[in-house]
Amino acid sequence: ELKVEQNPLFLSMQEGKNYTIYCNYSTTSDRLYWYRQDPGKSLESLFVLLSNGAVKQEGRLMASLDTKARLSTLHITAAVHDLSATYFCAVDDSGGGADGLTFGKGTHLIIQP
Amino acid sequence: ETGVTQTPRHLVMGMTNKKSLKCEQHLGHNAMYWYKQSAKKPLELMFVYSLEERVENNSVPSRFSPECPNSSHLFLHLHTLQPEDSALYLCASSHRTGRNLFFGEGSRLTVL
Repeated sequence: ELKVEQNPLFLSMQEGKNYTIYCNYSTTSDRLYWYRQDPGKSLESLFVLLSNGAVKQEGRLMASLDTKARLSTLHITAAVHDLSATYFCAVDDSGGGADGLTFGKGTHLIIQP
Repeated sequence: ETGVTQTPRHLVMGMTNKKSLKCEQHLGHNAMYWYKQSAKKPLELMFVYSLEERVENNSVPSRFSPECPNSSHLFLHLHTLQPEDSALYLCASSHRTGRNLFFGEGSRLTVL
């Protein structure tokens, strides 16, 4: 069974600081996704990482994937309040026969002025 | 309309009621999903349909019954639910299974 673990699950940080969210997964997969969820809203796709060494950047967020380590990171640079949200990583269990994505528990990020 | 739309957005029902959640996608995708999001729990995959055929059912109780009449529409029929079924039910679609998901806004369900 594919397991996806994120840490930290809760993060409070100040504007202007840098931080990294980690996503580990337990079985082989070449596809990893990051989503953002604002309170009371649905999930919005942020990044799609499709191969080992993939790096994607959008504004102050940068995501990377290391399939050998089964690890993805979401790095926040010079955080601003608007980035406060819950961030989920999700993995495609490409080898296990399942056809949906398995999600981590999410990282609840609060950025304080 | 574009994207994935879900109705109703909010639903309150008693344990003996029967109701349905509806999802429609306007993205031309071939796969549709129901996920359950409860407080302090990971998103739980409930059902997956690919080209209108169910491909996964993660041991969901029979009081939840999905229906996919075509590749654009997905329903979740609810009957004799329990209070612990109260949650946000998210519909999603993707080009094919295992690919990036596009989510609807969700249906917030409260079971009294």
